[in-house]
Amino acid sequence: QKEVEQDPGPLSVPEGAIVSLNCTYSNSAFQYFMWYRQYSRKGPELLMYTYSSGNKEDGRFTAQVDKSSKYISLFIRDSQPSDSATYLCAMSESGTASKLTFGTGTRLQVTL
Amino acid sequence: EPEVTQTPSHQVTQMGQEVILRCVPISNHLYFYWYRQILGQKVEFLVSFYNNEISEKSEIFDDQFSVERPDGSNFTLKIRSTKLEDSAMYFCASKRGENIQYFGAGTRLSVL
Repeated sequence: QKEVEQDPGPLSVPEGAIVSLNCTYSNSAFQYFMWYRQYSRKGPELLMYTYSSGNKEDGRFTAQVDKSSKYISLFIRDSQPSDSATYLCAMSESGTASKLTFGTGTRLQVTL
Repeated sequence: EPEVTQTPSHQVTQMGQEVILRCVPISNHLYFYWYRQILGQKVEFLVSFYNNEISEKSEIFDDQFSVERPDGSNFTLKIRSTKLEDSAMYFCASKRGENIQYFGAGTRLSVL
């Protein structure tokens, strides 16, 4: 079983749609959960950061973590063409130098 | 806004040659990382560095790889004898203390 699983897509939605992106993981030691956005041939850009279980909202973006199910989600409301990118979930254990373990990324296309 | 800077953006080298990839982390950050992403694959951890020593390294980070912080601002990744399979995007990341890593735009390494 892969440590972090993420549906690679591609996912195509019309402008204004609500997008749901998800990851599952197997390592129960993961405590920190992040969503990064990556444009083609660019570096990952941090979107959302959550510690342990719960929800976090930032503008059109909502991150949810359910540690009991080992499942995290990112919701994008009122999606825009500029949201078209690859979305990477990433996780780390506690410990200050902890590495990030990434999912494969989901490619999102928001069409006009 | 402070950012992680990587140079060069693209490095082409012949198999067997040594390459040095350079990174300038965000100035007050204390933890430094290298990741790589082979085209079409997920971002993979290579090495973490703190207090002038390696904190953790992955199986990928074998004896051909080394890291150095030669002065107060630069953080380098050296590959001694490049192989074709080293062709990838290499990302440098840094963080201060909390578990949020900020990534550079990457160096695309092409080994011919």
